[in-house]
Amino acid sequence: EPEVTQTPSHQVTQMGQEVILRCVPISNHLYFYWYRQILGQKVEFLVSFYNNEISEKSEIFDDQFSVERPDGSNFTLKIRSTKLEDSAMYFCASSDLAISSYEQYFGPGTRLTVT
Amino acid sequence: AQSVAQPEDQVNVAEGNPLTVKCTYSVSGNPYLFWYVQYPNRGLQFLLKYITGDNLVKGSYGFEAEFNKSQTSFHLKKPSALVSDSALYFCAVRDNGGATNKLIFGTGTLLAVQP
Repeated sequence: EPEVTQTPSHQVTQMGQEVILRCVPISNHLYFYWYRQILGQKVEFLVSFYNNEISEKSEIFDDQFSVERPDGSNFTLKIRSTKLEDSAMYFCASSDLAISSYEQYFGPGTRLTVT
Repeated sequence: AQSVAQPEDQVNVAEGNPLTVKCTYSVSGNPYLFWYVQYPNRGLQFLLKYITGDNLVKGSYGFEAEFNKSQTSFHLKKPSALVSDSALYFCAVRDNGGATNKLIFGTGTLLAVQP
């Protein structure tokens, strides 16, 4: 069964450093998302991406964040200058175009630890 | 604003007994509701969804959920719990007010099934 994959599984970085989280969505999906889950809290939407541009972003997704689909298969989330409060589990998700579908398929997540 | 509430942080049930994990929602327009499960160190796995049609929705691993419009609820149920069902369960609703199909999640309910 096709699945969403994410790398790395765990990333440790120092405050102020740039990180890039990578995702490979399911191959025939066209909507891509990033969510995050701070430890002990609920899953929060960050951004959605369709047709090579951001469709929607939350207030969390400020100028420090960016997304890219560089090569038609990978979908990346970049944090330019990490803060301690960016420490969280980051989930990538994808979905197809079928209006009757709507469900999103999630990757296993990348645990980001900012020290 | 659209929201989802999971009133129980944890549900304890003995193996073989029926289980219910509660979820209530608040949305504008038609609700599109989902249940996801998260096992330790794993991503979110889709269990089931309600888009339209029968109020009783059947999903993966023997789970089902009942949509109740008058009570704005979408409780997850299983007739006979297994120890392997122990995990974190998230209820989610599609954000009808947004530009994309982003999901709004509840805070999660930890299901603990005792042998």
